Amino acid sequence: EDQVTQSPEALRLQEGESSSLNCSYTVSGLRGLFWYRQDPGKGPEFLFTLYSAGEEKEKERLKATLTKKESFLHITAPKPEDSATYLCAVQAKGGSQGNLIFGKGTKLSVKP
Amino acid sequence: GAGVSQTPSNKVTEKGKYVELRCDPISGHTALYWYRQSLGQGPEFLIYFQGTGAADDSGLPNDRFFAVRPEGSVSTLKIQRTERGDSAVYLCASSPTGDSIYGYTFGSGTRLTVV
Repeated sequence: EDQVTQSPEALRLQEGESSSLNCSYTVSGLRGLFWYRQDPGKGPEFLFTLYSAGEEKEKERLKATLTKKESFLHITAPKPEDSATYLCAVQAKGGSQGNLIFGKGTKLSVKP
Repeated sequence: GAGVSQTPSNKVTEKGKYVELRCDPISGHTALYWYRQSLGQGPEFLIYFQGTGAADDSGLPNDRFFAVRPEGSVSTLKIQRTERGDSAVYLCASSPTGDSIYGYTFGSGTRLTVV
């Protein structure tokens, strides 16, 4: 069964304290892995798509990496405005392009 | 429009009633998706439209759930004989094509509460 597990469930950081979020996945052939950010009361906001092991993508203080079993979202020198829930999702080769399998997310809090 | 619009933003209904949830995608986006998100969970896939047709409806939990997109733009998710377990945030998203490389643009959702 295709599934996504994110850890930790919650993470508290001080402003400027770098850290990483983990996304472990089991899928019958990976078509793509996605990171989204979700603020309270809002829909998820797209961040990155990764397709193959070794691939990296960066956006401001965020960098996403991918291996054959997991992905990491590295946050460098976070600011309070980075506080949100970060969702990881995979798209399986056997599924439709519309069907993403999401993890439960990591709730990040950055204190000033 | 500038983004994906979902109406209503909140809906409270009694158990057993029928509800319709509306999604206005970004203009020109051919692909449209419905997901459902329960408290503390990630979004769960329901159905995916490419144009007017449902390309994948494998996520609809049972035959009480139905969705349409008659003109290839606005979509309506219909739930018959609502149950308390249907309470969740229903998210709609759209993308220019069915290729997810650029990600989906989600709306803010409709929070459905069945009492």
